[in-house]
This record gives sequence, structure tokens and C-alpha cells, in this order.
Amino acid sequence: AQTVTQSQPEMSVQEAETVTLSCTYDTSESDYYLFWYKQPPSRQMILVIRQEAYKQQNATENRFSVNFQKAAKSFSLKISDSQLGDAAMYFCAYSGGNTGNQFYFGTGTSLTVIP
Amino acid sequence: DAGITQSPRHKVTETGTPVTLRCHQTENHRYMYWYRQDPGHGLRLIHYSYGVKDTDKGEVSDGYSVSRSKTEDFLLTLESATSSQTSVYFCAIKPGPPYGYTFGSGTRLTVV
Repeated sequence: AQTVTQSQPEMSVQEAETVTLSCTYDTSESDYYLFWYKQPPSRQMILVIRQEAYKQQNATENRFSVNFQKAAKSFSLKISDSQLGDAAMYFCAYSGGNTGNQFYFGTGTSLTVIP
Repeated sequence: DAGITQSPRHKVTETGTPVTLRCHQTENHRYMYWYRQDPGHGLRLIHYSYGVKDTDKGEVSDGYSVSRSKTEDFLLTLESATSSQTSVYFCAIKPGPPYGYTFGSGTRLTVV
């Protein structure tokens, strides 16, 4: 089974600053997808950003971007201009390339935004 | 998302009682999943379904069963609830690559 590791249980950032959350994964597959999900206190799981492994270009969604290092099996999330609403638990997830493939999740990073 | 709903949102039950959680989708997706979320473990797959009456086990399936008699409904049953099954349970659907899961709003289950 694939494994996903988030080594930072907790992180904090000053409002308006930039923070990077780390994620590494282990796989022997060549075709796969990586995701970051945000879980605010409401408990809802919200997709933040996704990356297709075959794409060399790093994905970007507004203030959220990733640094995808395929050879190193690393997939970090950068949040720029942090806002109070970014405070949440963030989960990194991996899925193989086939339609039915399940997701594998990391253990999460709790992000605090300091006003 | 409006396409997937879970019920109930919260439940407290006693040890040894059966419990059924319901997941309903309006997206007509083939694949549906049940996960549990626990601190320090992230989300772990319990069971999944790849069609009506077609289900398979995930990594933490002991003590759980599932049923899918209609495309839109996926039920998770705890045959005899134990305190170790106190958790938050999420249902998810997936339209297929490259899209991610769409999650239900979760059920917080407490077994006392």
C-alpha cells in the first residue's frame, strides 16, 4: 500500500505571511494524483489543490501553490498571504491513476494563523 | 457539496448496540467510500463500493459491514459497537481521475 507522510503535526504563521506544509509519499506507480484537503473546524473536507504526476508544472490555485518534486516524492503546499480563514487541518492525499483507486491520506497538519 | 449527504450528523450509542450510518449521493457515481478519521491517523478506508451490491474491504474493516442496494445509497453498519469505534466517519464519492473525492459532512459517532 502507498504511504503518505506529513511530518509536521502543527504549524503556525503570522497573518499575511507565507507558510509551507510538507508531504512525502511512497509509491512504485508512475501514474498517480496528489491532493491537498483543508478541514476547518466545521469538519467539512474541502479540496484545495491537485497535481497530476505526469505534469511537470506545479499546480496553483490563487494563494495556494504546490512544489511537486517527483523524483524526491515530495509534495509541499505553500500558502501565500495567509488569512485567518486558512486556519484548519490540512491533509495530503495520494491516489493511483485508475478510476477506482482509493485515496491514501497523511496524518494531517494543524495550521494556526496568528493575527 | 449538495451531491452527497450523510446521516446522522451526530450519534451517541451504547456499547454492543448495532449502528447504521447512511450516505446518499445524487451524482450517480459508481464508486463510494467509507473512511474513519482519528487523531494521529488521518483518514483510513473502511469499505468501498464499485457498484450496486459490489463492495470490498479497506484497511480497517473489522467490525464493520456495508451494503449498497441502490446506486445512490451506501450504508455502513457497526454490528456491535465498541468504544474503539468512536470516531468521525466520512463518506466520499469520486468521479474518477483527475478529480478528487467529494466528501459528505461526516458523522461524529460516540460509543459509550
